[in-house]
Amino acid sequence: GAGVSQSPRYKVAKRGQDVALRCDPISGHVSLFWYQQALGQGPEFLTYFQNEAQLDKSGLPSDRFFAERPEGSVSTLKIQRTQQEDSAVYLCASSLGTGGLSTYEQYFGPGTRLTVT
Amino acid sequence: GDSVTQMEGPVTLSEEAFLTINCTYTATGYPSLFWYVQYPGEGLQLLLKATKADDKGSNKGFEATYRKETTSFHLEKGSVQVSDSAVYFCALSVLQGGKLIFGQGTELSVKP
Repeated sequence: GAGVSQSPRYKVAKRGQDVALRCDPISGHVSLFWYQQALGQGPEFLTYFQNEAQLDKSGLPSDRFFAERPEGSVSTLKIQRTQQEDSAVYLCASSLGTGGLSTYEQYFGPGTRLTVT
Repeated sequence: GDSVTQMEGPVTLSEEAFLTINCTYTATGYPSLFWYVQYPGEGLQLLLKATKADDKGSNKGFEATYRKETTSFHLEKGSVQVSDSAVYFCALSVLQGGKLIFGQGTELSVKP
């Protein structure tokens, strides 16, 4: 079946522009995570949804970052007034998350590479 | 806070060599431990996992044992192949089904 998809795959933004990154999780997956991966580093947690509820946004680096999942499926990560330090790969992951250890495996999308110039 | 430290790369090996990538962690509670792999041009994939002390995770010839006494989860493979060339990430999750905390990644390059 289809995996996690993300769009766009690449995004170039001028400093100060707003961007919106989309994640389509695996159908039926309850949990959805966003991570930020800087060049040469491991992914860092940004935020977590269970269905449409944003249960943890402790990793969002500033109030310029905003995420939503209004109908409990597709999610959008929005970055306002982009800065150069926002340049990174943004990864989305989903998990079934309904019980049992195997349902908590996170499946990752290919990421969106954001470059702020 | 919770964290993962893994050996720096890049690691370059000849085909059929033995591989060890070290990973240690700091965590409150009793975390689950994971190794993820990122092949060139592809997304992160779960390689193996262990959820309690002395558990051994294994997949595709790779193994890692959850060592609570040394807070380690080292990745090993007896005989690497060129196709194993990738970036390997050690990670933990303190809450079942919760966020992952990753190490910085170790790039492995296997030469024929």
